[in-house]
Amino acid sequence: EVQLVESGGGLVQPGGSLRLSCAASGFTFSDYYMDWVRQAPGKGLEWVGRTRNKANSYTTEYAASVKGRFTISRDDSKNSLYLQMNSLKTEDTAVYYCARVSHIGADNEAFDIWGQGTMVTVSS
Amino acid sequence: AIQMTQSPSSLSASVGDRVTVTCRASQGIRNDLGWFQKKAGKPPKLLIYAASRLQSGVPSRFSGSGSGTDFTLTITSLQPEDFATYYCLQDYNYPRTFGQGTQVEI
Repeated sequence: EVQLVESGGGLVQPGGSLRLSCAASGFTFSDYYMDWVRQAPGKGLEWVGRTRNKANSYTTEYAASVKGRFTISRDDSKNSLYLQMNSLKTEDTAVYYCARVSHIGADNEAFDIWGQGTMVTVSS
Repeated sequence: AIQMTQSPSSLSASVGDRVTVTCRASQGIRNDLGWFQKKAGKPPKLLIYAASRLQSGVPSRFSGSGSGTDFTLTITSLQPEDFATYYCLQDYNYPRTFGQGTQVEI
């Protein structure tokens, strides 16, 4: 079964750090780009960032709201994706989802597999 | 960043109704758009990618259309399980951006 499972969420104080993990199974993880998306309580979906695959040098992209504070990485040997979150703010409180990105032809992509999400609460 | 504007923000509908949600991009994005269904406590579910291509396993009552700046998600014959919030997402450039969502309620 194709599956993504997030872990690592919890309560952290403002200014603190947290590392989220996303364990993949049922597909060749190393072939895919992987993204993080979040949803704050009562708010809409927000794209957080991306890591490309080895063929594309594991390069990353970030939303402006997290750039310089969050780092996305992956370990293909462990079929795992990570989100290192530093200098956390109250506005980072959200459910964080990892998502697989499938490329369709040369130009299109599909966020086709999602994890169940992990809650991060930033509060004093 | 490209802004994605969905309309309406919410709508009331009945089982069997035809529902249309629109998404407008602040600049042209070719057909680089997906539609997602989101229910409380569940992850987003991909419905449509590349503006009009139905994701495997998604019922055919869902369809997407559009190109450039204007896009539409249509649900023909709304079913009870379709009451949810729907989001568009542009994958034309970075940062990827979602619409603000359209809540479909009874």
